[in-house]
Amino acid sequence: AQSVSQHNHHVILSEAASLELGCNYSYGGTVNLFWYVQYPGQHLQLLLKYFSGDPLVKGIKGFEAEFIKSKFSFNLRKPSVQWSDTAEYFCAVKLGGSTLGRLYFGRGTQLTVWP
Amino acid sequence: GAGVSQSPSNKVTEKGKDVELRCDPISGHTALYWYRQSLGQGLEFLIYFQGNSAPDKSGLPSDRFSAERTGGSVSTLTIQRTQQEDSAVYLCASSLGGRGSGANVLTFGAGSRLTVL
Repeated sequence: AQSVSQHNHHVILSEAASLELGCNYSYGGTVNLFWYVQYPGQHLQLLLKYFSGDPLVKGIKGFEAEFIKSKFSFNLRKPSVQWSDTAEYFCAVKLGGSTLGRLYFGRGTQLTVWP
Repeated sequence: GAGVSQSPSNKVTEKGKDVELRCDPISGHTALYWYRQSLGQGLEFLIYFQGNSAPDKSGLPSDRFSAERTGGSVSTLTIQRTQQEDSAVYLCASSLGGRGSGANVLTFGAGSRLTVL
């Protein structure tokens, strides 16, 4: 079965600290990759996505992610977090590229940023 | 509408009762997805529709769960004879569908929180 692993269940940081959230998937073929974010009391929102091309993708609010095909990874980064980044972050993978189909989600990482 | 609408936002029911959850996708989005979110469990895929057809319904956990979509728009997820383990937030999402980079960019609704007593 395909799986998406998010290594950290809960990350706690102080404001201005750097962030890296890990995401690995188990599939050897073409993939589309996504990070979604869920702020407290809000619905899931797309943070960034990778389909092809430059493996370093930039999203909203200063977030970026790097696709490393050899490591089956798509880690999320931000150089300096803010209190408002407190949220739950979900990595998701679509197998087989841009044909229609389900997204496989990781279990999520809860990020808490202390002011 | 401007976003994905789900109703009810909260539903409390007794074990053994049937429930219906509704999803109204973004206008023009041909693909519609149902996921279930339980505490600490991430998002569990249930089913997706392209138009009125369901190419993948392998995530439905039992035959008590069913979903339909009519007119290529609104979808209803029905859970019969609810059990306590069905308690979760049921999320609906929609996407442009078809092929290409927009096909799989999901826009989620706020969810329907189901509590089975």
